[in-house]
Amino acid sequence: QQPVQSPQAVILREGEDAVINCSSSKALYSVHWYRQKHGEAPVFLMILLKGGEQKGHEKISASFNEKKQQSSLYLTASQLSYSGTYFCGPEGAEYGNKLVFGAGTILRVKS
Amino acid sequence: DAMVIQNPRYQVTQFGKPVTLSCSQTLNHNVMYWYQQKSSQAPKLLFHYYDKDFNNEADTPDNFQSRRPNTSFCFLDIRSPGLGDAAMYLCATSIRLAGSYEQYFGPGTRLTVT
Repeated sequence: QQPVQSPQAVILREGEDAVINCSSSKALYSVHWYRQKHGEAPVFLMILLKGGEQKGHEKISASFNEKKQQSSLYLTASQLSYSGTYFCGPEGAEYGNKLVFGAGTILRVKS
Repeated sequence: DAMVIQNPRYQVTQFGKPVTLSCSQTLNHNVMYWYQQKSSQAPKLLFHYYDKDFNNEADTPDNFQSRRPNTSFCFLDIRSPGLGDAAMYLCATSIRLAGSYEQYFGPGTRLTVT
């Protein structure tokens, strides 16, 4: 069963912040985040391995709550280059120890 | 320098005519994946190789086959493409380190079935 991402889409102005959530019904041991621009391949952003772990990539950070089986991606002071579709990819034994991507969140940053 | 290369980038085939998509990597990664991605959807894993071990997803149609003759190359064969097989096909690689990994995606091959 696919993890649930929310919101499905978000529109921001440059400089605004956004949060994308990823929720799983299955136990996880890691969460991956990828960004895909239109017509391009997904690009790896970060992996979170432990419960409560936070990581950062430029002004993009994420948290992973293992107990709640949730991860959130935080985009701070968004830039035009942040536009794209963001996918979370939880990993866990019940997912067959492979990535199962969420449906994606479309992010559009306007000037 | 391109690390995961897919050829061709665009492929047009006729309904029922076999087609092969290719992927090569310069990373020497031991795991290679094939994903199918349809418009506005998430990538869907078709199969993956862990070294030479082939792992087929339960819902991957029999129409799809794969070959990995060596570490660097992997092929996706669609024996009898249908209109519903039109999609972007993404190849990815990874190497498992300390229980986790990141996947490197190729640019994809967009398949059109006429």
